[in-house]
Amino acid sequence: KAGVTQTPRYLIKTRGQQVTLSCSPISGHRSVSWYQQTPGQGLQFLFEYFSETQRNKGNFPGRFSGRQFSNSRSEMNVSTLELGDSALYLCASRIPEAGKNIQYFGAGTRLSVL
Amino acid sequence: GNSVTQMEGPVTLSEEAFLTINCTYTATGYPSLFWYVQYPGEGLQLLLKATKADDKGSNKGFEATYRKETTSFHLEKGSVQVSDSAVYFCALTPSSNQFYFGTGTSLTVIP
Repeated sequence: KAGVTQTPRYLIKTRGQQVTLSCSPISGHRSVSWYQQTPGQGLQFLFEYFSETQRNKGNFPGRFSGRQFSNSRSEMNVSTLELGDSALYLCASRIPEAGKNIQYFGAGTRLSVL
Repeated sequence: GNSVTQMEGPVTLSEEAFLTINCTYTATGYPSLFWYVQYPGEGLQLLLKATKADDKGSNKGFEATYRKETTSFHLEKGSVQVSDSAVYFCALTPSSNQFYFGTGTSLTVIP
């Protein structure tokens, strides 16, 4: 079974631009979560989508948004990029049922904002 | 609220040394607890988990016991190898809806 796939792996943008990151979950996983990982802050939860609906949201500004498609693939968008948005963005998928609450992570997209 | 506190790193050990990485948590209800590992250039991989008090999770020689009385889930390994060099994250989920991660502890094992 294929794992969680994130594209692209690396991205370089300039301040003020916008960016879209993509995540394809493991087949059968309907929940997709996004995290921002930085050296100083560790993993910070951005949001979770389940069946095309945002179910949870972390404490990030409205410039960060996401969506999920009917095939469970998810995209994350960051508008008006700032230097501080440089980070590794991780996507994780799971089957949100009791006893199956393990998250499986992709390799991440490393975003550099210049 | 829910939170995870891990010991500060980085940790540097010689091969075959004993490893302990401390993790304590604050949570409502009865959370599930996890240790994830991140190797350079990769995403996080589940290392082990425990779903109720006194459960012991184990994998690849690593162990952690869910201690409700001390709200802890310390990671241990009796003899580390160079290949164990990675960043280790403690995490919890109180209700299977949201996960909370510690800040990570970097481990370097030298030959």
